[in-house]
Amino acid sequence: SYELTQPPSVSVSPGQTARITCSGDALPKKYVYWYQQKSGQAPVLVISEDSKRPSGIPERFSGSSSGTMATLTISGAQVEDEADYYCYSTDSSGNHRVFGGGTKLTVL
Amino acid sequence: EVQLVESGGGLVQPGGSLRLSCAASGFTFSSYAMSWVRQAPGKGLEWVSAISGSGDSTFYADSVKGRFTISRDNSKNTLYLRMNGLRAEDTAVYYCAKAYCGGDCYSPGDWGQGTLVTVSS
Repeated sequence: SYELTQPPSVSVSPGQTARITCSGDALPKKYVYWYQQKSGQAPVLVISEDSKRPSGIPERFSGSSSGTMATLTISGAQVEDEADYYCYSTDSSGNHRVFGGGTKLTVL
Repeated sequence: EVQLVESGGGLVQPGGSLRLSCAASGFTFSSYAMSWVRQAPGKGLEWVSAISGSGDSTFYADSVKGRFTISRDNSKNTLYLRMNGLRAEDTAVYYCAKAYCGGDCYSPGDWGQGTLVTVSS
């Protein structure tokens, strides 16, 4: 079955740049989406189609994708950005959707 | 404003059945694909199933194929998930999600608050 691989945790100090990666074999041909989930809340879409920022998402959130790796970048991370982040994409057939295992971002 | 309200969760014995519902409002329901995503306690997100706006196309994770059935009633703006043969590992919060974009687009955009399903004897 298709898998997306994320690091379990990333830690930065406030104001620093946080980068969370997501790797998958089909990423050269399939978009990646990124979701933020704060404790006890439903997920929120923060990046669509590799690099598009939905309305209402702060400009410090950005996304990129190259080859088999996609990256979510939070420039000048804030304490309120502490959350679990998940990437999402599909396999090469487009029939199977999958989330990465999630990355816990700590900002302190 | 998009609103998605899940219901139907609860405690069920192993091997039992349950039907989840998701009442949608604030958008043209039939124009968007919908998905179910679950999250076991303390674990990550797991995509479960998706259905096209018309209901003609359905997709399932291997872990639920043959046991779960996704459906929708566009006249009632409601999404369903029929779950049969439930197992302990199906215990999770189940979220419904509206596709980020219309047409042939299934990636979740807006999410409901979820409903908890507990499978235990």
